[in-house]
Amino acid sequence: KNEVEQSPQNLTAQEGEFITINCSYSVGISALHWLQQHPGGGIVSLFMLSSGKKKHGRLIATINIQEKHSSLHITASHPRDSAVYICAVRGNQFYFGTGTSLTVIP
Amino acid sequence: DVKVTQSSRYLVKRTGEKVFLECVQDMDHENMFWYRQDPGLGLRLIYFSYDVKMKEKGDIPEGYSVSREKKERFSLILESASTNQTSMYLCASSGPGQGARGVDGYTFGSGTRLTVV
Repeated sequence: KNEVEQSPQNLTAQEGEFITINCSYSVGISALHWLQQHPGGGIVSLFMLSSGKKKHGRLIATINIQEKHSSLHITASHPRDSAVYICAVRGNQFYFGTGTSLTVIP
Repeated sequence: DVKVTQSSRYLVKRTGEKVFLECVQDMDHENMFWYRQDPGLGLRLIYFSYDVKMKEKGDIPEGYSVSREKKERFSLILESASTNQTSMYLCASSGPGQGARGVDGYTFGSGTRLTVV
């Protein structure tokens, strides 16, 4: 049983498309993180959310605490957005999703 | 400006060898973590440390040990490497008052891809 489920697992998009990655979780949380992992392994934290919505450049993250669901949106996608996106939630411990592999084709 | 440095990007070791994975952070963080990442399983916490010489088991500590002799350095040790320890290993750190097991504002290293043959 996975406490954090992401969908889709793999996603291929044309440059310029609007992209949505979804995350559902089953535990009570105090915060949710979206992480980005580029080929080669390095991970960076994109967002930390506890409610509502955050925006950074072309990235938007939303969370609905009641529905235990979060989405990561990328507007005007670009090949450099190609990466694995990981959802992580903090309850009494950290739980990680298995990631969504995004490929943006020029 | 690299903040969490893992000593090796790629490592190949033989079964039975003792393996040291090193992680150094320059942010004066109290908390440091070792994760492994496997396809279909995501990130799993092996060990973490919230202070020098302190350590706590994570979710999958079997076959591993850790050492934190200095605040900036957290070492993961595979006492006798086995093929099922072939994985990507990621180190992370976070600052004070942010709890254990990984919290807001944590920073990851670039990872070490270990292959045990």
